[in-house]
Amino acid sequence: AQSVTQLDSHVSVSEGTPVLLRCNYSSSYSPSLFWYVQHPNKGLQLLLKYTSAATLVKGINGFEAEFKKSETSFHLTKPSAHMSDAAEYFCVVSERRTGGFKTIFGAGTRLFVKA
Amino acid sequence: NAGVTQTPKFQVLKTGQSMTLQCAQDMNHEYMSWYRQDPGMGLRLIHYSVGAGITDQGEVPNGYNVSRSTTEDFPLRLLSAAPSQTSVYFCASSLRRTTNEKLFFGSGTQLSVL
Repeated sequence: AQSVTQLDSHVSVSEGTPVLLRCNYSSSYSPSLFWYVQHPNKGLQLLLKYTSAATLVKGINGFEAEFKKSETSFHLTKPSAHMSDAAEYFCVVSERRTGGFKTIFGAGTRLFVKA
Repeated sequence: NAGVTQTPKFQVLKTGQSMTLQCAQDMNHEYMSWYRQDPGMGLRLIHYSVGAGITDQGEVPNGYNVSRSTTEDFPLRLLSAAPSQTSVYFCASSLRRTTNEKLFFGSGTQLSVL
């Protein structure tokens, strides 16, 4: 069965330190994987997506994610956090099914950045 | 570019009242959808449409109706609001309905049902 688990509901880092937001997934097929970011009172915005090309995916604002099939993980990282990175981040899995496809959102990880 | 426009931004309803959340996109997208966002649960799909005249149910369709008379518009109707429908609602669209297509989101509607 398809599922997405974001391992941390909250992550707090200091400005200038690395960011790691963890995501594990379960999928019976070759999925597409996404990370979206939601700033307060805003809609979601795509950060990056993986679609079976390179396993290391670079996104906007210095974020990147690595697809590890053996670990069924798609963790989001950034070398140096900025205050403007404070937001909620969603890991999303999408896979093709008979008659269509199914998209599942993780529960979200809220990132706090301390000055 | 306007992108995906949702109205209203905020709404308070009494139990049993009806209302329509509006969603419009100006990108000529085939696929449009409605999600609700509840704390700790991510986003859950309510209804979606793959083109004008075509709609289908998502994960949590009960209590909601949709229609798609034009490519641009995809309104969500609550026929008789219940407190369990208190949530933040997002409309999203994409060019096509495929696994790897990017979703464009509206800015959301915060709905409270008393």
